[in-house]
Amino acid sequence: DIQMTQSPSSLSASVGDRVTITCRASQKINNYLNWYQQKPGKAPKLLIYAASSLQSGVPSRFSGSGSGTDFTLIISSLQPEDFATYYCQQSYSIPPYTFGLGTKLEIK
Amino acid sequence: QVQLVESGGGVAQPGRSLRLSCAASGYTFRSYDMHWVRQAPGKGLEWVAKIWFDERQKDYVDSVKGRFTISRDNSKNTLFLQMNSLRADDTAVYYCARYNPGPHAFDIWGQGTMVTVSS
Repeated sequence: DIQMTQSPSSLSASVGDRVTITCRASQKINNYLNWYQQKPGKAPKLLIYAASSLQSGVPSRFSGSGSGTDFTLIISSLQPEDFATYYCQQSYSIPPYTFGLGTKLEIK
Repeated sequence: QVQLVESGGGVAQPGRSLRLSCAASGYTFRSYDMHWVRQAPGKGLEWVAKIWFDERQKDYVDSVKGRFTISRDNSKNTLFLQMNSLRADDTAVYYCARYNPGPHAFDIWGQGTMVTVSS
């Protein structure tokens, strides 16, 4: 099974900051990498698919990059509603459809 | 609008059973593979099971194989998860999710239903 490793596991930042979250796959997954945002008590929401494609309705301050084993989620200018937990997930070698352990983004 | 609504969660004793349902609306349910994903309290997301749009294939995470069964009724736009021989480590919020083959991602999620396994 492919393992997904996210870093950092938690992050404190301020409104307006640029934030980078990374995700590494244990083997090459081409660009079959998705990012989700989850707020407390809510279901996950798809943000980015295929490593860099923005899901419809997601603000353009979110972007993704990477291919192979290393991927990045960038939030260019943090907004108050962006404080949440972010998960990466691979759809290359399935099943299982593995998720990273998450990155909790908190207000500094 | 496109929507998934889970039901059937609750408290069950170890070894007992529960059946979760997920009602889909706003799209052609029979055209999409469907999944269950769970989240233990304070933990991350764990994929649990998948069923093809036509039910020809089902897959499970190793920890639930032989205990859980995923099924669907395309005439009623409903997904199911039959959970038998429940264990304490099955305690989680269970989400149903639509898998969109275009982006190869879970693009629609239900609100989740809590399952607590405790004596």
